[in-house]
Amino acid sequence: EVQLLESGGGLVQPGGSLRLSCAASGFTFSSFAMSWVRQAPGKGLEWVSAVSSRGDTIYYADSVKGRFTVSRDNSKNTLYLQMDSLRAEDTAIYYCAKGYVSLNRFDYWGQGTLVTVSS
Amino acid sequence: QSALTQPPSASGSPGQSVTISCTGTSSDVGGYDYVSWYQQHPGKAPKLMIYEVTKRPSGVPDRFSGSKSGNTASLTVSGLQAEDEADYYCSSYAGNNNVVFGGGTKLTVL
Repeated sequence: EVQLLESGGGLVQPGGSLRLSCAASGFTFSSFAMSWVRQAPGKGLEWVSAVSSRGDTIYYADSVKGRFTVSRDNSKNTLYLQMDSLRAEDTAIYYCAKGYVSLNRFDYWGQGTLVTVSS
Repeated sequence: QSALTQPPSASGSPGQSVTISCTGTSSDVGGYDYVSWYQQHPGKAPKLMIYEVTKRPSGVPDRFSGSKSGNTASLTVSGLQAEDEADYYCSSYAGNNNVVFGGGTKLTVL
């Protein structure tokens, strides 16, 4: 059974940093691209970032480019999102999702971790 | 403001059919056959229901179907059941390794 478990969310002040993790199991993690998708409270979904299966190709939404860094450790079956210079508008539930941006197909999602940016 | 436009709400009685639209542009929905639909129950993660406009992942009932005409994609739910009540989001590949979503449609089963 595919499982994705996010962690690392919490309350952070504007301008602060946070690192999210997504532990994967139930599939060959190193064979699949992964993405982060977020959802502001009561709002719709927004794709944030994607990383290829080997971690050598990375994409970002314009809204986070230059502030967020995605990475993965295939030896630990874990996906990461380093979030710096956080803003109030980054407040959201952050989901990790298995799948390919170029195919727009995210077939498994984690339960999400809440990031709140507030003073 | 979301890149793709969906009606905020839709409704139908059990057993009926309902169609949810998703309007984009020639740069996303109209330009690629990579439209997906996700179902999200309150407090839960999104679930892939349709990908590549018309395809259903294993385990998704065939009551769910997708289509596209020009810059508008549609999700049809036939034979509505109580458990279909949820939020539905469309999504499209938008080129340059970017994906855009709709604002979501709340489906109510009357």
